[in-house]
Amino acid sequence: DAGVTQSPTHLIKTRGQHVTLRCSPISGHKSVSWYQQVLGQGPQFIFQYYEKEERGRGNFPDRFSARQFPNYSSELNVNALLLGDSALYLCASSPLRQTLGDTQYFGPGTRLTVL
Amino acid sequence: AQKVTQAQTEISVVEKEDVTLDCVYETRDTTYYLFWYKQPPSGELVFLIRRNSFDEQNEISGRYSWNFQKSTSSFNFTITASQVVDSAVYFCALSEARAGGTSYGKLTFGQGTILTVHP
Repeated sequence: DAGVTQSPTHLIKTRGQHVTLRCSPISGHKSVSWYQQVLGQGPQFIFQYYEKEERGRGNFPDRFSARQFPNYSSELNVNALLLGDSALYLCASSPLRQTLGDTQYFGPGTRLTVL
Repeated sequence: AQKVTQAQTEISVVEKEDVTLDCVYETRDTTYYLFWYKQPPSGELVFLIRRNSFDEQNEISGRYSWNFQKSTSSFNFTITASQVVDSAVYFCALSEARAGGTSYGKLTFGQGTILTVHP
């Protein structure tokens, strides 16, 4: 079975622009989470979605938004990009409904560079 | 608040040496899960192990072993007879419990430990 896939692999944007990152979960997984990983740090939680509803949100500004589609794929949108948004954006999927301790499986990430 | 501390920023060993990566966590929850992930240069986080707070048995998987000690809030990871392919960044993570009556699987990660294994 295919793992979590993300697109694009790399992206270069300029300040003030908007970006959309995409994620397809492992087949059968209904929950998708997004994380931001700045160079040299651990991933930081941004959102979790289950059945198209937001189930959790990290400490990120409203410029960050996401949605989940009926096929459980997801998009992360970031508006008004700042230099500090440069990071690796990781998507993770899990099989069960927002269960504590549900193992999350990560995709390869999208490397976003903001100039 | 949940917190995970990996005090070792970088570790360098020679192949076949044993190496232990430390992880200390903080949580007020009585029910929680701990994880270890490996991040090779490609960037993808690879799941290694999950452990719940009620299971303090140590676990061994091939050259990997994990020591969970609730009394010291530690969940350490040992690689026996390290190999060059073990070179990566290793993250310890804690799964958050209920928030406002709804549980969700937010992972709180440590800063990571960069492991370099030299031939």
